[in-house]
Amino acid sequence: QSALTQPPSVSGSPGQSVTISCTETSSDVGSYNRVSWYQQPPGTAPKLMIYEVSNRPSGVPDRFSGSKSGNTASLTISGLQAEDEADYYCSSYTSRSTVVFGGGTRLTVL
Amino acid sequence: EVQLVESGGNLARPGGSLTLSCAASGFTFSDYPMTWVRQTPGKGLEWVAIISISGGSKYYADSVKGRFTISRDNSKNTLFLQMNSLRADDTAIYYCARVPNWGSWYFDVWGRGTLVTAPS
Repeated sequence: QSALTQPPSVSGSPGQSVTISCTETSSDVGSYNRVSWYQQPPGTAPKLMIYEVSNRPSGVPDRFSGSKSGNTASLTISGLQAEDEADYYCSSYTSRSTVVFGGGTRLTVL
Repeated sequence: EVQLVESGGNLARPGGSLTLSCAASGFTFSDYPMTWVRQTPGKGLEWVAIISISGGSKYYADSVKGRFTISRDNSKNTLFLQMNSLRADDTAIYYCARVPNWGSWYFDVWGRGTLVTAPS
């Protein structure tokens, strides 16, 4: 069982906002602001969307934003578009100098 | 264009060995730590290993420690993953990815992956 828990699925209509949560369930990932988010459309490689909780790499639309409160990190996608339909994974550094991924969330655009 | 291309994926016998390669281009390979991440078809991502710029520091997931070895050849812009004592649960698509700097612990460029099949 992953040290990061994500909902299996979320959905929203075009133009709406959705939020995907990522809850730390292990003390190994406790206080580190090393959460990142990846987007993976079917049949493709993951793509970095957010790093270190809330930073967006160049080229990622500002519709994507990240935050963290307590032991839960969140990815919010505003102005939902059909092309946003994909699997989303959070990840975090751990105290044992390893990386752990959440189980992934399937985003469906209705 | 920044690019990572994995190769070496194949059908392996349980208990057998396989070496994956990742050829980098479009950036100065020797300036970046590198990592391997795998994904069982239809399932989630699992981090495998990470290596520093010089190759002097390496860390592994518990599931592969003692069986897999990550290495790099900066003169050939290539990352490797030597996999020994393969098990059925090592079956996955293996991605190599670039790490912006040591201590970043996120991955900003990914390859397309190579499939390793280790049947039971």
